Amino acid sequence: EAGVVQSPRYKIIEKKQPVAFWCNPISGHNTLYWYRQNLGQGPELLIRYENEEAVDDSQLPKDRFSAERLKGVDSTLKIQPAELGDSAVYLCASSFRTGDTGELFFGEGSRLTVL
Amino acid sequence: GNSVTQMEGPVTLSEEAFLTINCTYTATGYPSLFWYVQYPGEGLQLLLKATKADDKGSNKGFEATYRKETTSFHLEKGSVQVSDSAVYFCALLVGGGNKLTFGTGTQLKVEL
Repeated sequence: EAGVVQSPRYKIIEKKQPVAFWCNPISGHNTLYWYRQNLGQGPELLIRYENEEAVDDSQLPKDRFSAERLKGVDSTLKIQPAELGDSAVYLCASSFRTGDTGELFFGEGSRLTVL
Repeated sequence: GNSVTQMEGPVTLSEEAFLTINCTYTATGYPSLFWYVQYPGEGLQLLLKATKADDKGSNKGFEATYRKETTSFHLEKGSVQVSDSAVYFCALLVGGGNKLTFGTGTQLKVEL
């Protein structure tokens, strides 16, 4: 069974440029999460989707970050414009159901460097 | 608020040594506790969990016991292998939505 797939794995951009990350969750997983992991820190939740609906986006900096999950499968996270402090690893995760099992399946992440 | 504190790494051990990685937490409510592991070049994956006090989670020779009185969930393994080299994250879950709160991670290096 394929795991969570993310792309690109690495991205280097200059500040003020836009960037987008893509995630394909495990087939059948209706819940999708985007996390941000700063260097030396643990992952922090940015947004959670139940199917197409963003049910928790309280930690998403909405002035420059946006996300979508059309058709309840793939998802895209966008930053526009990027700032130096956005350099981090962006992790996508999915889970089978909403129940609070705490078992999330993570992709390998997209490492963003903003120069 | 909710938070998790882990011992700083890297932790370097010889193969077959005993491993302990400390984890303590603060939580508003009664949390479930988790250890996630990230092997080089891979995504985080659940290693073990415990959902109530005195529960012991175990997997792949690793164990952790939910200690409510000391608000701790220390990870242990009796004999580590080189293949255990990874970053280990302690996490908690309180309330709905599978919203995990992670610690900062502890890197383990096991040498021959």
